[in-house]
Amino acid sequence: DQQVKQNSPSLSVQEGRISILNCDYTNSMFDYFLWYKKYPAEGPTFLISISSIKDKNEDGRFTVFLNKSAKHLSLHIVPSQPGDSAVYFCAASAAGGTSYGKLTFGQGTILTVHP
Amino acid sequence: DAEITQSPRHKITETGRQVTLACHQTWNHNNMFWYRQDLGHGLRLIHYSYGVQDTNKGEVSDGYSVSRSNTEDLPLTLESAASSQTSVYFCASSEGSGPPNEKLFFGSGTQLSVL
Repeated sequence: DQQVKQNSPSLSVQEGRISILNCDYTNSMFDYFLWYKKYPAEGPTFLISISSIKDKNEDGRFTVFLNKSAKHLSLHIVPSQPGDSAVYFCAASAAGGTSYGKLTFGQGTILTVHP
Repeated sequence: DAEITQSPRHKITETGRQVTLACHQTWNHNNMFWYRQDLGHGLRLIHYSYGVQDTNKGEVSDGYSVSRSNTEDLPLTLESAASSQTSVYFCASSEGSGPPNEKLFFGSGTQLSVL
């Protein structure tokens, strides 16, 4: 049972335009969400996170939106740059108890930004 | 600088052999995790540890074991390697402070091929 889903395996955008990556989750206990970026032959690196008490978090060109009622989050990259081309993973965590610190990941979305 | 290192980067083994993948972190983090990455599945949790002498099973723990004898290391052992365990393995660590600053730091991965 895939608790975190990224339904778009790939996304292609033009440099300078907006990239929107989507993620859905099913577990209502999830209350902390993160996005990771992964280049080939490297480990995932943290990009941005959001706690369930917020509906938006920004960090430079990256903004994450959380819609708790729809169990949906999205990552917006504006403007997109060729160096943003990577695999993007959505991840979720439930605070407290035995779930503390564990992340459940989506399948990933390959983003390609064309010059 | 603090870091998390995995070795070897690449490993080829035969079915039935015991294999150990090393993970060493200098962050002094309490939490350590092992994930495997497979196409279509994203990253799936194998085992994790919240401190010395603590180990817990993750989502796909069958055929794997870990031990935590110190803060820095969490070796992953495949007791009897199977072709289904061909994958990329990532070790990660985290401080354990919780949101909004909690995040995993990943190693560069080990590509394991079981022939």
